[in-house]
Amino acid sequence: GAVVSQHPSRVICKSGTSVKIECRSLDFQATTMFWYRQFPKQSLMLMATSNEGSKATYEQGVEKDKFLINHASLTLSTLTVTSAHPEDSSFYICSARMAGQYEQYFGPGTRLTVT
Amino acid sequence: GENVEQHPSTLSVQEGDSAVIKCTYSDSASNYFPWYKQELGKRPQLIIDIRSNVGEKKDQRIAVTLNKTAKHFSLHITETQPEDSAVYFCAANTLGGGADGLTFGKGTHLIIQP
Repeated sequence: GAVVSQHPSRVICKSGTSVKIECRSLDFQATTMFWYRQFPKQSLMLMATSNEGSKATYEQGVEKDKFLINHASLTLSTLTVTSAHPEDSSFYICSARMAGQYEQYFGPGTRLTVT
Repeated sequence: GENVEQHPSTLSVQEGDSAVIKCTYSDSASNYFPWYKQELGKRPQLIIDIRSNVGEKKDQRIAVTLNKTAKHFSLHITETQPEDSAVYFCAANTLGGGADGLTFGKGTHLIIQP
């Protein structure tokens, strides 16, 4: 149980275009979802926290107009990278958590390459 | 905000020996401390976690200790095996604090020498 999926697993896009990444909790309801970014050989950095039906809370230094997060249901959150640039190339990982629980369940990640 | 420091960045041990990774945190309100194992290009896998009301937790070859006063926690792996080779991350957060995502340490590359 507690499976989280992400789609796509890999995406290559041209500079200036937008790309949407989906994060789904397959067998549980996720009241809170998180988005992390991981550059090569570095740690995971929290980008934003989203609660179902509410606006996302972004970490300091993360541009909310560039990284649009929508948590429209208890099983789906989306991250849209708008006007992507090569420096946005990274591994984006979501996680999901049930109400009242400590553990976060991670998705398999999405490798974004901006050319 | 929370700051998590992790040491060492690289740890090489002989197969069968023990490995210890240490982390410190800055926010005394943090109450949840998970440890993750991550293989290249894969998602982080939770290997053990501890809450602030517990001082030690063990699961077979893996144990975690927490010292709330000193604000540090450690991962202990005994009888290491080649498949233990990976990057390990500690993390901390405060459940119920609103925007309560995990703050990760920088990671430890554990190398098990055969």
